[in-house]
Amino acid sequence: AQSVTQPDIHITVSEGASLELRCNYSYGATPYLFWYVQSPGQGLQLLLKYFSGDTLVQGIKGFEAEFKRSQSSFNLRKPSVHWSDAAEYFCAVGGFQGGKLIFGQGTELSVKP
Amino acid sequence: DSGVTQTPKHLITATGQRVTLRCSPRSGDLSVYWYQQSLDQGLQFLIQYYNGEERAKGNILERFSAQQFPDLHSELNLSSLELGDSALYFCASSVGPGYNEQFFGPGTRLTVL
Repeated sequence: AQSVTQPDIHITVSEGASLELRCNYSYGATPYLFWYVQSPGQGLQLLLKYFSGDTLVQGIKGFEAEFKRSQSSFNLRKPSVHWSDAAEYFCAVGGFQGGKLIFGQGTELSVKP
Repeated sequence: DSGVTQTPKHLITATGQRVTLRCSPRSGDLSVYWYQQSLDQGLQFLIQYYNGEERAKGNILERFSAQQFPDLHSELNLSSLELGDSALYFCASSVGPGYNEQFFGPGTRLTVL
């Protein structure tokens, strides 16, 4: 069955430190992969997506993610975290009939001053 | 602002009641998706419509139904409400029927008392 796993429920990093959020997926075909961010009381905003091609994709707000087929992973990274990055981050896989997305459970990011 | 609008923002109702959630997709988008976000289930795909036709169905209860109108707005109808239906309901839209990035609305928070 298709699934997405985000192993870290909660991560705390210091402002200015680097960030890596992990995402592993289970999907038989070539996946379409997404990272979304949800701020408190807000909807989900698309950070970046991978459909094909270059396995390192750049997104908004200085985020990037790398698709590694051999590890079934799509980890999100940022070199220097800002206090405004505190939010919940969701990894999702698509490519199914009808275009539905399957989401991971989310990783809540806290940023220490 | 994603361009997807949802009304109402908040809804408080009693068990056994029926409610209707409304979604207007981004201009030019033909697909509408409904998702439910709850603490225990996370983000779950409910149903998708494309240009007025049901395209895909997920974990949607029989008490729930949806439709997409000729002007492309969509409504999600929830009936015989139970306490466990309390959740955040998101609408998302995309250009095509599948394999596209989805843009999410701000959500409707439903509280069933």
